[in-house]
Amino acid sequence: QVTLKESGPALVKPTQTLTLTCTLSGFSLSNTGTRVTWIRQTPGKALEWLARIDWNDEKYYAASLKTRLTISKATSTNQVVLTMTNMDPVDTATYFCARIWVDERPPRYYFYMDVWGQGTRVTVSS
Amino acid sequence: DIQMTQSPSSLSASVGDRISITCRASQNIDNFLNWYQHKAGTAPKLLIYAASSLHSGVPSRFSGSGFGKDFTLTISSLQPEDFATYYCQESYTNPASFGQGTKLEIK
Repeated sequence: QVTLKESGPALVKPTQTLTLTCTLSGFSLSNTGTRVTWIRQTPGKALEWLARIDWNDEKYYAASLKTRLTISKATSTNQVVLTMTNMDPVDTATYFCARIWVDERPPRYYFYMDVWGQGTRVTVSS
Repeated sequence: DIQMTQSPSSLSASVGDRISITCRASQNIDNFLNWYQHKAGTAPKLLIYAASSLHSGVPSRFSGSGFGKDFTLTISSLQPEDFATYYCQESYTNPASFGQGTKLEIK
């Protein structure tokens, strides 16, 4: 069974760095084609895509947050780590990780998030 | 970035109703469009990908249509478990943008 589980602090102070971990089960980051993404939902707001990492260590970031985000993978523990620096109260949100699956219909490749974690709630407050 | 605009932002309906939610992209995205269902405190669920392909395990009362800029998610006969927030997401670009969501509430 494919699952993802987010973990990290529930509370961080402004200006601190947030580190979140996504633990994968039932699939491996070392397998060709595996991609994992982080998404957040701020209170009362929509979903916001943050970052993505692929099996070959290619990384992608949301332009508006690129200077603050770092995504990495630990193949030995099958985890994906997201760090966000200089946290602000507006970063209070539920953070989700999800697997990206690709439906291949050459020349078209359809990407979608087929399995999501339950999310981890992060509050930024002094 | 591509902007995705959903309408309506909220919708009240009754069990058994047929409802539709629309999503408009700021540019042509072909059929690179996904739909998700989200209930507070749970993991979002994929419903539709490639605009009209039903994800495995999703009930057939859900359907998607559209191409280019305009897309629609239809639920043919609302069930109690369908009351949730629905998001469209384009997968034409990276990063992939989400719509602002449509909250479906019980009338």
